Amino acid sequence: TQLLEQSPQFLSIQEGENLTVYCNSSSVFSSLQWYRQEPGEGPVLLVTVVTGGEVKKLKRLTFQFGDARKDSSLHITAAQPGDTGLYLCAGEVDSSYKLIFGSGTRLLVRP
Amino acid sequence: GAVVSQHPSRVICKSGTSVKIECRSLDFQATTMFWYRQFPKQSLMLMATSNEGSKATYEQGVEKDKFLINHASLTLSTLTVTSAHPEDSSFYICSVTQGATRYEQYFGPGTRLTVT
Repeated sequence: TQLLEQSPQFLSIQEGENLTVYCNSSSVFSSLQWYRQEPGEGPVLLVTVVTGGEVKKLKRLTFQFGDARKDSSLHITAAQPGDTGLYLCAGEVDSSYKLIFGSGTRLLVRP
Repeated sequence: GAVVSQHPSRVICKSGTSVKIECRSLDFQATTMFWYRQFPKQSLMLMATSNEGSKATYEQGVEKDKFLINHASLTLSTLTVTSAHPEDSSFYICSVTQGATRYEQYFGPGTRLTVT
């Protein structure tokens, strides 16, 4: 069974601080996606990484895929209250289009 | 990205009844849709893969006779929870894959099911 573990599970920080969320597995993934989910809504796709070592930036968010395609990180610079939400990583299984979701990181950014 | 709708957004039903949830791909034809379940404070768990014109593929531990999936057209998949029980209360979310970047999934807004 392929598992994706995220850390930390919960993070409460002050506006303006930086943070990093980690997504780790012992399995290799064909691709990895990061989503953000608001309460009572479906997840919204933030980014997809496909190549080992790939780095993608989305404004204040920086995503990195590990060289071995087993892990990923999300770094947020100067967090804002609007960044509050549940961040989920999801790995694609064997190029099957099926996704295995991580356990999630709940982020709270206090004004 | 793709635009996905779900109906209803919320439903309350009595134990023993059946409930149908619709998932529609509004701006493209989806040959593959996915159904997930999410319990409070937890992550998404894949229930089944819905393929247009063929039988759905269920994940281990998901009862296919309890969670009936029909993908009769390229824009609509339905999930019917049969003989619902309180433990079936959850947030049900569908997703679709799109075109060349088929590993990316776009999610509907979810359906909150409460079984009393």
